[in-house]
Amino acid sequence: AQTVTQSQPEMSVQEAETVTLSCTYDTSENNYYLFWYKQPPSRQMILVIRQEAYKQQNATENRFSVNFQKAAKSFSLKISDSQLGDTAMYFCAFMNSYSGAGSYQLTFGKGTKLSVIP
Amino acid sequence: EAGVAQSPRYKIIEKRQSVAFWCNPISGHATLYWYQQILGQGPKLLIQFQNNGVVDDSQLPKDRFSAERLKGVDSTLKIQPAKLEDSAVYLCASSFPLVREQFFGPGTRLTVL
Repeated sequence: AQTVTQSQPEMSVQEAETVTLSCTYDTSENNYYLFWYKQPPSRQMILVIRQEAYKQQNATENRFSVNFQKAAKSFSLKISDSQLGDTAMYFCAFMNSYSGAGSYQLTFGKGTKLSVIP
Repeated sequence: EAGVAQSPRYKIIEKRQSVAFWCNPISGHATLYWYQQILGQGPKLLIQFQNNGVVDDSQLPKDRFSAERLKGVDSTLKIQPAKLEDSAVYLCASSFPLVREQFFGPGTRLTVL
């Protein structure tokens, strides 16, 4: 079974600064997907960024980028120019690329609570 | 485009009572998921539907939890009888078949006293 570990329960960053959230995972699969989801206080979870394991190039979405190290099974999220609206729980998640039974469940880490300070 | 709808948003019940949650996925999304998110943890999959068929319910406590998606659109998750440890946020998500991105609803926060 896959496991996802987020070792930073809480982090804070000054507005306009850069912060990196860590995530490691364990799997015996070669092909899979990795995601970062954002869950603002009392609001629904939304996808921030995703990475396909077969792609060597790190994914980027505006101010959000990842550092994907497949051999080390590491998938960190970098947020540049932090904004107050980035305050949220951030979850790292894993999904198998292929499932014979058609099950594409997300396996989540415990999350990192990020606070952006004005 | 309307998102995933869930109701109620909050529910407080006594242990041993029953409770039901409702989810309406994004139009056209054949795949529907129910996740349980206990405070301080990431969501955990309870059950996945493809249209009105169950794809994965391996982590659903079947002695007390049940779920259905009779017409392949909206879904109901039921707990009967509830235990204290069922206190959690129940998230519904949906996606197109074989598409990896899941869209989440706002969740139902259940408190069992």
